[in-house]
Amino acid sequence: KQEVTQIPAALSVPEGENLVLNCSFTDSAIYNLQWFRQDPGKGLTSLLLIQSSQREQTSGRLNASLDKSSGRSTLYIAASQPGDSATYLCGLSGGSYIPTFGRGTSLIVHP
Amino acid sequence: DTAVSQTPKYLVTQMGNDKSIKCEQNLGHDTMYWYKQDSKKFLKIMFSYNNKELIINETVPNRFSPKSPDKAHLNLHINSLELGDSAVYFCASSPPGSFSGNTIYFGEGSWLTVV
Repeated sequence: KQEVTQIPAALSVPEGENLVLNCSFTDSAIYNLQWFRQDPGKGLTSLLLIQSSQREQTSGRLNASLDKSSGRSTLYIAASQPGDSATYLCGLSGGSYIPTFGRGTSLIVHP
Repeated sequence: DTAVSQTPKYLVTQMGNDKSIKCEQNLGHDTMYWYKQDSKKFLKIMFSYNNKELIINETVPNRFSPKSPDKAHLNLHINSLELGDSAVYFCASSPPGSFSGNTIYFGEGSWLTVV
């Protein structure tokens, strides 16, 4: 059974800092890993999708990496802004798995 | 156009009632899901439905039942609602070959409060 852990659970930083959010998983037999953003009272918005054959994906100030051998992914946020404040979730899917999610990292970026 | 849409967005109901939440996707996806998100933001899979194959999370009470009239719809019916059913319920879908690594799309969520 796949288990996904996200560290830290919460993070509060001043604007402009570079951030790293961590996601670890117990079974490396995945097909993809996806990072989502969830704003309060809203649904999940997909940020980045990394296929199992890929090592990283980039979109604007966001960069996600995947290391299947160590069961880890990181989401790097450059030059954080108050608008980045949200909960970030990591989800894995593929094979016989139903997409499985971590509990998220709650991020606050203060001006 | 909304890719995955759920109705209602908010639902307040009394214990013991039966209610349904509807979900529709216009993406042509083969697989649809229902997730429950608790107060601590944990997304827990309830059901997966793929080409008429239903995969049920064994921890889900049988008061919860998914109903799929066609490939574009997966509704969630809940009997005899309990206080602990209060949560946000998310519908999601993914395209054919999802198990080869395609993205999953979520609806906006349905906020259920049982009083």
